[in-house]
Amino acid sequence: KAGVTQTPRYLIKTRGQQVTLSCSPISGHRSVSWYQQTPGQGLQFLFEYFSETQRNKGNFPGRFSGRQFSNSRSEMNVSTLELGDSALYLCASSSLPGTGNTGELFFGEGSRLTVL
Amino acid sequence: GDSVTQMEGPVTLSEEAFLTINCTYTATGYPSLFWYVQYPGEGLQLLLKATKADDKGSNKGFEATYRKETTSFHLEKGSVQVSDSAVYFCALSDYGGSQGNLIFGKGTKLSVKP
Repeated sequence: KAGVTQTPRYLIKTRGQQVTLSCSPISGHRSVSWYQQTPGQGLQFLFEYFSETQRNKGNFPGRFSGRQFSNSRSEMNVSTLELGDSALYLCASSSLPGTGNTGELFFGEGSRLTVL
Repeated sequence: GDSVTQMEGPVTLSEEAFLTINCTYTATGYPSLFWYVQYPGEGLQLLLKATKADDKGSNKGFEATYRKETTSFHLEKGSVQVSDSAVYFCALSDYGGSQGNLIFGKGTKLSVKP
């Protein structure tokens, strides 16, 4: 069973640009979550999508957005990049409670964004 | 709200030493508890989990017991190896919560010297 796939793995952008990151969940998983990981703040929840709908959103500005497609693949977008957006962006997928799921998330390897 | 607190790192040990990484949690319900591990340059991998009180999760020589009375889920390993060097995250489930489905601790970096 293929794992969670994130693309691109590495990218470099300059301030003011925008970026789109992609995530393909494990086959059969319909929930996709995004996290930002930085040395200072640790793992911070961005948002979660299920069946193309945003279920939850963390405390991030509106520059951070996401969406999910009918095949459960998800993208996140960051507009008007700032230096502080440099981070590892992690995508995770899961099935939802009620399907035998105990809350476990399955993570991709992440997309490392550097903003210059 | 729910939260996870784990010991600050970094932790440096010699090979074959005993490892304990403390983790305590605050939760209103009965969450599942997890330990995730992140090796350099990689994403997070589930190390072990426990879904109810007194459950013991174990994997690759690591163990953790879900202690409801002390709200703890400490990670232990009897004899660490250099290959165990990584960052370890304690987490609890929070279905549909505003912090995401999993709430993570800050992480503890472990370095094992030969």
